Amino acid sequence: AQSVSQHNHHVILSEAASLELGCNYSYGGTVNLFWYVQYPGQHLQLLLKYFSGDPLVKGIKGFEAEFIKSKFSFNLRKPSVQWSDTAEYFCAVYMEYGNKLVFGAGTILRVKS
Amino acid sequence: DAGVIQSPRHEVTEMGQEVTLRCKPISGHNSLFWYRQTMMRGLELLIYFNNNVPIDDSGMPEDRFSAKMPNASFSTLKIQPSEPRDSAVYFCASSLRGNLNTEAFFGQGTRLTVV
Repeated sequence: AQSVSQHNHHVILSEAASLELGCNYSYGGTVNLFWYVQYPGQHLQLLLKYFSGDPLVKGIKGFEAEFIKSKFSFNLRKPSVQWSDTAEYFCAVYMEYGNKLVFGAGTILRVKS
Repeated sequence: DAGVIQSPRHEVTEMGQEVTLRCKPISGHNSLFWYRQTMMRGLELLIYFNNNVPIDDSGMPEDRFSAKMPNASFSTLKIQPSEPRDSAVYFCASSLRGNLNTEAFFGQGTRLTVV
């Protein structure tokens, strides 16, 4: 079945630490890729997206993600996290066949100040 | 624009009661999505509409769930009768183009508790 896996459900980091959140999907066709963020008590907001072109995508607030097609991965990175990055992060993959947008289970990031 | 507006923000109801969740999409957006978020299953797409027409309702769990979009500025998700396993956060989202591969703008969600 087509699925999206986020490797860690909870991540705790200190401020200034580097962040990498994993996202893998199981689908061999054309994909569009998204990372959404949900700050405490707020709605989901788009962080960044990949449709085509440069597989290294830069988003808002210093986040970036790299699409590695051979690994079916779209990992989210940030060189130095801040306390305000505490949130839940969702990877989402649009799979062309079947016209499906599938979300991962989410990763809760807590940044200690 | 105020964004996607959902009401109520919180709903607590007894098992067997009817529950209606409401959504106002962003003006000018022609696609609307209903999602359910639970710890066990994450974010699941229940149904989506293009130009007020339901396109894919394969995610609707069972006949107790129904959704309508009578006009471009309003949609409802109804559960009748409600059950404790329906407890979740229900999100509405809208987008400008009629497809799932475009950016969706989410509302703040309705937290439903069925006791």
